[in-house]
Amino acid sequence: KNEVEQSPQNLTAQEGEFITINCSYSVGISALHWLQQHPGGGIVSLFMLSSGKKKHGRLIATINIQEKHSSLHITASHPRDSAVYICAVSKGAQKLVFGQGTRLTINP
Amino acid sequence: EPEVTQTPSHQVTQMGQEVILRCVPISNHLYFYWYRQILGQKVEFLVSFYNNEISEKSEIFDDQFSVERPDGSNFTLKIRSTKLEDSAMYFCASRDLGTTYGYTFGSGTRLTVV
Repeated sequence: KNEVEQSPQNLTAQEGEFITINCSYSVGISALHWLQQHPGGGIVSLFMLSSGKKKHGRLIATINIQEKHSSLHITASHPRDSAVYICAVSKGAQKLVFGQGTRLTINP
Repeated sequence: EPEVTQTPSHQVTQMGQEVILRCVPISNHLYFYWYRQILGQKVEFLVSFYNNEISEKSEIFDDQFSVERPDGSNFTLKIRSTKLEDSAMYFCASRDLGTTYGYTFGSGTRLTVV
């Protein structure tokens, strides 16, 4: 069983829709990370969370430590948000353990 | 904004050849990592490096792999005798525990073994 599971694996939506990507994990963690991977392959860190909620622009990330669950929300989605969104978990300065990613496509 | 720089961006090599992938982490970061992503699969951890030595390595990181920080700025991954299954995107990352985002990734090196 994967330590980090994401859903859905693929998501297609129309421009303007509210997007939710979910992540569940099965191990103890010190932080959960949301990452964005562009078609060219580069990875960008979006959020690092250990509790509660963080917001950056149209992106919102939440985490429920008791339920071992996190969500990434995108408000007013735009075609430029199309990318693979990856959930990963870490313990201290140790390695990241990655989910399989959610491929998001926003159509105009 | 500080960046992690990886070179080359693409490398094609013959099976059995040695390759060195190079990374320049962010200068005040303390922890360095190599990850790889085989096409269509999730990102996998290879090795972490702290205080000039390996702090953790995965099962993938066998004797054909090695890492070095030869001059205090560069961080290299060497694959001694490449196999077809080493074809992947290799990412370097660095981390300072005080940062808001945690990890900063390089743009990756796409390695193709033929």
